[in-house]
Amino acid sequence: QKEVEQDPGPLSVPEGAIVSLNCTYSNSAFQYFMWYRQYSRKGPELLMYTYSSGNKEDGRFTAQVDKSSKYISLFIRDSQPSDSATYLCAMSRIDSNYQLIWGAGTKLIIKP
Amino acid sequence: ETGVTQTPRHLVMGMTNKKSLKCEQHLGHNAMYWYKQSAKKPLELMFVYSLEERVENNSVPSRFSPECPNSSHLFLHLHTLQPEDSALYLCASSQASGDYNSPLHFGNGTRLTVT
Repeated sequence: QKEVEQDPGPLSVPEGAIVSLNCTYSNSAFQYFMWYRQYSRKGPELLMYTYSSGNKEDGRFTAQVDKSSKYISLFIRDSQPSDSATYLCAMSRIDSNYQLIWGAGTKLIIKP
Repeated sequence: ETGVTQTPRHLVMGMTNKKSLKCEQHLGHNAMYWYKQSAKKPLELMFVYSLEERVENNSVPSRFSPECPNSSHLFLHLHTLQPEDSALYLCASSQASGDYNSPLHFGNGTRLTVT
């Protein structure tokens, strides 16, 4: 079993829709949770970062962590064609010296 | 130049060649990383350098040899590669390794094809 599971997609939705991207994980010791966005032919860039459980909002993006279910989500409101990219989740333990464990990424396509 | 710059963007090499990937960061960061990204697979951490000292080596085959001459430059020397080494090689930097408030900044990668 992989430590982090992420549906590779592609997930195709119309412009303006609410998008939900998800990762599940098996290690209950994970405390730090991140979402990176990777455009085609570019490197990943950090989008959101949360510690432990709860929600964090930044503009149209909301990151949610449910540690009891070992499940994290990224919601995108009012999705735009410019949001089309691959979204990578990553997480780490507090004692892991920055050994991030990554999901394989979900490819998102926003249709105009 | 700003951010993290990787050269070359594309590299095709035979299994007997020797080549090097170069990474330069202009962010004043103290930690640098090499990652391997294969299609539909999670990012694989290869090497971590903190203040020019290697602090992580994730059981990477010896045909990959990193070099960090200073905190701004990182190289990955390649020799006798296998076709399964074809992938996108990403360089990243952060203010410090092991600091959770210090996110990774990635370059745009070198697309390596081994023939």
